[in-house]
Amino acid sequence: AQTVTQSQPEMSVQEAETVTLSCTYDTSESNYYLFWYKQPPSRQMILVIRQEAYKQQNATENRFSVNFQKAAKSFSLKISDSQLGDTAMYFCASYQVQGAQKLVFGQGTRLTINP
Amino acid sequence: NAGVMQNPRHLVRRRGQEARLRCSPMKGHSHVYWYRQLPEEGLKFMVYLQKENIIDESGMPKERFSAEFPKEGPSILRIQQVVRGDSAAYFCASSPRTSGHNEQFFGPGTRLTVL
Repeated sequence: AQTVTQSQPEMSVQEAETVTLSCTYDTSESNYYLFWYKQPPSRQMILVIRQEAYKQQNATENRFSVNFQKAAKSFSLKISDSQLGDTAMYFCASYQVQGAQKLVFGQGTRLTINP
Repeated sequence: NAGVMQNPRHLVRRRGQEARLRCSPMKGHSHVYWYRQLPEEGLKFMVYLQKENIIDESGMPKERFSAEFPKEGPSILRIQQVVRGDSAAYFCASSPRTSGHNEQFFGPGTRLTVL
């Protein structure tokens, strides 16, 4: 069975700082994807970044990047030059390519960016 | 191309009533996932449907919950005889489901409140 764990319930940083959110996962499959989703107060789920397990290179999307440590089953999200609009819940998630591809989510980290 | 649509956005029911949640997938998507988010938790998979077929319902409660995705019309998640513990946000996501990776696009969610 897949599991995803986020050990930081809340984090808070000043605007323009860099912040890293942690995530660990467990899966018995070799072919899987990892994701970070943002959920602002509107509750809309917004995909921030995705990582394919077979790719060693860490994914990057503008100010968002990941540190994918496959052997350690770790998948952290780094937000550089944080902005007030980054304030949201952040969820780490994974799915196995074989089968239903159902997403398994972590418990979430509530991130607050302070002016 | 319109995104995934869910209605109603907010639904209030009294204990014992029925709740019907609707999800219209993105154009061209024939696969739908339903997830439930309890307060202060991450999303949890409920059911995965293809048109006219339930593919994986391993996350559905055994009683009172059912889902369908007819050949025509939206996917419907039905909760009979609602109880207070059913209060949650219910999200659907649609996918084109070709081979390999398939992005899931989320709707805005339906927030169900049971009085």
